[in-house]
Amino acid sequence: GDSVTQMEGPVTLSEEAFLTINCTYTATGYPSLFWYVQYPGEGLQLLLKATKADDKGSNKGFEATYRKETTSFHLEKGSVQVSDSAVYFCASRSPYSGGGADGLTFGKGTHLIIQP
Amino acid sequence: DGGITQSPKYLFRKEGQNVTLSCEQNLNHDAMYWYRQDPGQGLRLIYYSQIVNDFQKGDIAEGYSVSREKKESFPLTVTSAQKNPTAFYLCASSVQGIATDEQFFGPGTRLTVL
Repeated sequence: GDSVTQMEGPVTLSEEAFLTINCTYTATGYPSLFWYVQYPGEGLQLLLKATKADDKGSNKGFEATYRKETTSFHLEKGSVQVSDSAVYFCASRSPYSGGGADGLTFGKGTHLIIQP
Repeated sequence: DGGITQSPKYLFRKEGQNVTLSCEQNLNHDAMYWYRQDPGQGLRLIYYSQIVNDFQKGDIAEGYSVSREKKESFPLTVTSAQKNPTAFYLCASSVQGIATDEQFFGPGTRLTVL
């Protein structure tokens, strides 16, 4: 079945540092790819998405590019802030339905801590 | 404001009791989903519904049941058959049930079995 693997955390950085959170996927066909962010005690918010190869999703200074050749969707930000501290989830969704496959497949999440 | 509401925010249950978690959306979305989140884990799909009066099992449906009698409501019942029900439960919805659709999440219900 589909799976998503992302780097384990916690990841601790200083404010204004460069951020990369790695994400790779396995899926049938070409899935849509998403990054979600979760703040403590809350639900998930969509950060960005890409639905086909070479698409770049971007939002709030975060970027991720859909790389079919490496089956990756790494999240990057050039200069992080304390307010970026949260848990980040990479997720995929296959275009093929059936057999319980119609939800998102999530990675385990990466806890990001930004220190002032 | 449009969005998804879940209630209650915290729920305590004694072993052997069934409990129902509420999920309501006013986004006019066709598809709705229930996920379970455990510490240090990603979310896992329990049930989903692409249209009223229809729903499908996800990856971990055992011990759970749902109904979809109205477009805006998708309640989840955690039954006594669920062996380890303590978790954070998240409801989501999307315009349709297609792969490119963004899923919008509610604030979650934290269930604790005493």
